[in-house]
Amino acid sequence: SQQGEEDPQALSIQEGENATMNCSYKTSINNLQWYRQNSGRGLVHLILIRSNEREKHSGRLRVTLDTSKKSSSLLITASRAADTASYFCATDLETSGSRLTFGEGTQLTVNP
Amino acid sequence: IAGITQAPTSQILAAGRRMTLRCTQDMRHNAMYWYRQDLGLGLRLIHYSNTAGTTGKGEVPDGYSVSRANTDDFPLTLASAVPSQTSVYFCASRVDELGTQYFGPGTRLTVL
Repeated sequence: SQQGEEDPQALSIQEGENATMNCSYKTSINNLQWYRQNSGRGLVHLILIRSNEREKHSGRLRVTLDTSKKSSSLLITASRAADTASYFCATDLETSGSRLTFGEGTQLTVNP
Repeated sequence: IAGITQAPTSQILAAGRRMTLRCTQDMRHNAMYWYRQDLGLGLRLIHYSNTAGTTGKGEVPDGYSVSRANTDDFPLTLASAVPSQTSVYFCASRVDELGTQYFGPGTRLTVL
């Protein structure tokens, strides 16, 4: 089964609203990463949070990590139509040698 | 060239045929990866290479082979394609020691 599991699978919001996506994982990690994928394109790295960090910000993105619950969340504030994409979490396991394990993704639609 | 390129962009292939998907990067990254992406299954690692001259198996290696003769190129070969290998294939390289990955644009492969 997938190491990382996102929820919800799909999220539809209005422009200006905040979007929150969650990711759960099963085993110990070195870090957790979030990626974005526009339709028909490759993945683009958004943000990385290390296992000893609890929160990280990058522009309108805020990521939290709770290693005790083995979960992470990605918050996009003041969403825009251009944020419409699929978002994936990826875990870098302690035993993997930087081989990432991806979740199934959350499809975010931001309506203008 | 800037980043990772993949070729072809898309391909329709008859079952039983041999096919090589090409991946080239010009960033001198040591590690490279091949993933397949299927609806509802996220990205799954096929094979990886931590450095030129070495390769390893990922989560779904059966039916695929790779080689890493030099730093820049990481071709993926399907020796005898089957319809279940219909997918979108992404090549990636590792950007830094934390494991952030940089993705190519993908190859859409259809096996009939």
